[in-house]
Amino acid sequence: KAGVTQTPRYLIKTRGQQVTLSCSPISGHRSVSWYQQTPGQGLQFLFEYFSETQRNKGNFPGRFSGRQFSNSRSEMNVSTLELGDSALYLCASSLDSNNSPLHFGNGTRLTVT
Amino acid sequence: AQTVTQSQPEMSVQEAETVTLSCTYDTSESNYYLFWYKQPPSRQMILVIRQEAYKQQNATENRFSVNFQKAAKSFSLKISDSQLGDTAMYFCAFMNRNTNAGKSTFGDGTTLTVKP
Repeated sequence: KAGVTQTPRYLIKTRGQQVTLSCSPISGHRSVSWYQQTPGQGLQFLFEYFSETQRNKGNFPGRFSGRQFSNSRSEMNVSTLELGDSALYLCASSLDSNNSPLHFGNGTRLTVT
Repeated sequence: AQTVTQSQPEMSVQEAETVTLSCTYDTSESNYYLFWYKQPPSRQMILVIRQEAYKQQNATENRFSVNFQKAAKSFSLKISDSQLGDTAMYFCAFMNRNTNAGKSTFGDGTTLTVKP
């Protein structure tokens, strides 16, 4: 089975721009969640989608949004980028059974200048 | 809300020796799961081991084992016979069984270096 695929691997944007990150989950996984990883804040939960619906949401401003398509692929969008948005964005998928762990992608490294 | 604390930002161990990484958590829930994930340098995060809170027996996976103390809310990871490939950042994570895996709470991580 192919793993979780995130594209692109690297992105450089300037302040004020917007960005869209993509995530393809493992086949059969219907839950896709997004995390922001920074050296100072660790792993912070952004949101989780299941069957095209946002099921959980972290404490991030409305500039961070996402969606999930019928094939379970997910996109995350960040608008009006700020320097502090520079981070590794990790996508993870899971089977959504009671004890299914997260399967992570390689992440997208976003740098905002 | 749950919190997960890893009090050791960095650790090192000699190859073939044993090392224990600490994790404590705080929750009012009684039904939950705990995980250890490993993130090697510039590589993707993978699951190392999981523990179900209702099971008293400590989970083991080959060289990896946990010491789960539910009353103390402690969940440490022991790595036996450390190998160079164990060099990575290790994250402890909590998941409420009544929600779903997508909303795990992670500790800040422990960077482990295995020295030859």
